Amino acid sequence: QKEVEQDPGPLSVPEGAIVSLNCTYSNSAFQYFMWYRQYSRKGPELLMYTYSSGNKEDGRFTAQVDKSSKYISLFIRDSQPSDSATYLCATYFGNEKLTFGTGTRLTIIP
Amino acid sequence: DSGVTQTPKHLITATGQRVTLRCSPRSGDLSVYWYQQSLDQGLQFLIQYYNGEERAKGNILERFSAQQFPDLHSELNLSSLELGDSALYFCASSVGLAGGGYQETQYFGPGTRLLVL
Repeated sequence: QKEVEQDPGPLSVPEGAIVSLNCTYSNSAFQYFMWYRQYSRKGPELLMYTYSSGNKEDGRFTAQVDKSSKYISLFIRDSQPSDSATYLCATYFGNEKLTFGTGTRLTIIP
Repeated sequence: DSGVTQTPKHLITATGQRVTLRCSPRSGDLSVYWYQQSLDQGLQFLIQYYNGEERAKGNILERFSAQQFPDLHSELNLSSLELGDSALYFCASSVGLAGGGYQETQYFGPGTRLLVL
């Protein structure tokens, strides 16, 4: 079993829809949670960074962590074609390495 | 543009060969990380260097090695290449504050696409 599981998609939604991306993890020691966005033929870029349980909002993006169920989510409101990318969740604890999910490929249809 | 540069962008080689991937971190960043990205395994951490010294090791094969030079650029050497080594290889850098470890934001380069035939 992988430490971080992520549905690879692909996921296609119409422009303006709310997008929900999710990951589950197995190690309860994980404390820090991140979402990266990776455009085609580019490297990942950090989108959101949260610590422990709760919500964090940044513009149209909301990251949600539920440590009791080991579940992390990224919501995108009013989705735009420019949001089309692969989204990777990542997590770590202490000084341990970042562990990434395999990524979900998202396409926003105009 | 993250400020991290990687060369070459693409590399096609044969099994058994050896290749060197190069990374220049963002100006001022002391830490360099190497990752391998494949469709089935996702993004896997290979190794980290901080100011020339190896700091952390991940799932790096013995056939692979890396180093960071005094000018802070880094090279990842892949030898005795196998078909399964075909992947995207990313370099990332971070400021590398003492004890900062992985809590720092990592900035990724555009990657090197390696194809082993």
